[in-house]
Amino acid sequence: DTEVTQTPKHLVMGMTNKKSLKCEQHMGHRAMYWYKQKAKKPPELMFVYSYEKLSINESVPSRFSPECPNSSLLNLHLHALQPEDSALYLCASSQGPNIETQYFGPGTRLLVL
Amino acid sequence: SQQGEEDPQALSIQEGENATMNCSYKTSINNLQWYRQNSGRGLVHLILIRSNEREKHSGRLRVTLDTSKKSSSLLITASRAADTASYFCATELKAAGNKLTFGGGTRVLVKP
Repeated sequence: DTEVTQTPKHLVMGMTNKKSLKCEQHMGHRAMYWYKQKAKKPPELMFVYSYEKLSINESVPSRFSPECPNSSLLNLHLHALQPEDSALYLCASSQGPNIETQYFGPGTRLLVL
Repeated sequence: SQQGEEDPQALSIQEGENATMNCSYKTSINNLQWYRQNSGRGLVHLILIRSNEREKHSGRLRVTLDTSKKSSSLLITASRAADTASYFCATELKAAGNKLTFGGGTRVLVKP
């Protein structure tokens, strides 16, 4: 299985809602990543998990809360988001923290109303 | 500011023609990678070139790296309509560990 899956594919939420994005891989990868991508822009790194521990947080607002329950799963919990948080959220994984190739999921397209 | 800057921002070619795009970066790197993204979807890894390599090939793709000029190029030969996508370079910085920084991307349109 060489796939990274993400659910849901699309999400619409209000500014007071709490929702979660999920990412799963079964390639035995030990590093997982969350990226945010706005339209016609490159992906921007948000968080890196290495061996289930948060290793990089790119000064992301606390309304985004990552969680890595085990080596196959990565969640992104969303609370009190703003309309400017609307974007494509991409999950990726790599064999290890020293990387190199990252495998991306199809993304979750988030709209915050 | 972005580590990688890509040129051109957009490219329109006929099927069968070659497409060339360039990426420049600012600081020392461990490696440079190229990814493709079809509209609104995830990124697909195309090729990785290490800082001590000058050229790599993969199928119809050719990547060069010039560390003295801090630049890389991606050539797609004999393009097909299915090559229509955005192409991003991504650098792994020597000082930044397991962190990729993406360039602005080149949007390629291959017309049948």
